[in-house]
Amino acid sequence: GAGVSQSPSNKVTEKGKDVELRCDPISGHTALYWYRQSLGQGLEFLIYFQGNSAPDKSGLPSDRFSAERTGGSVSTLTIQRTQQEDSAVYLCASRPDGINQPQHFGDGTRLSIL
Amino acid sequence: AQSVTQLDSQVPVFEEAPVELRCNYSSSVSVYLFWYVQYPNQGLQLLLKYLSGSTLVESINGFEAEFNKSQTSFHLRKPSVHISDTAEYFCAVAYKGGNKLTFGTGTQLKVEL
Repeated sequence: GAGVSQSPSNKVTEKGKDVELRCDPISGHTALYWYRQSLGQGLEFLIYFQGNSAPDKSGLPSDRFSAERTGGSVSTLTIQRTQQEDSAVYLCASRPDGINQPQHFGDGTRLSIL
Repeated sequence: AQSVTQLDSQVPVFEEAPVELRCNYSSSVSVYLFWYVQYPNQGLQLLLKYLSGSTLVESINGFEAEFNKSQTSFHLRKPSVHISDTAEYFCAVAYKGGNKLTFGTGTQLKVEL
């Protein structure tokens, strides 16, 4: 079946521009996560959505980062006024209800800030 | 704070040799444990998981991991590696009652001829 889909796969933009990254989770998955993976680093948690509950935004590094999830499905991560340190791979994951359920990852968006 | 430690950032090994990738987590409360694998330019894929029951869990491609509660470890092993096992491996823990996975920093396994 269809997995988690992320777009674009690659994004190159100039410092100071805004970017939007999209995630299409697996149908029926109630939980959705965004992570940031920098070169040689592990996964940095950014934000978590669960059903209709308020999102857990505790991992967002600054107020330039925001995310929404419309209709409990598609999610968009927005970075405003991008900086060079925002360059990374942004991964999205979804899972069914239950913390013991494994997360299913997309292939990520590789963001490069010039 | 919850944490996962993968002591080895890189592990080089020759093909057909055994390998162990180490993982320790910070708390002894009830946990679910996972190993994920990441091939170049791809997202993470679930390799195996421990939820309950038998402390030894296996994957379909020959990897196994053993949950050791007293040592708070979940080391990943394979008795004979293949070139195709070259990838980055991440250990992760979820705490019962929580909502997030905490990941280790990853171990790059490089299998050489």
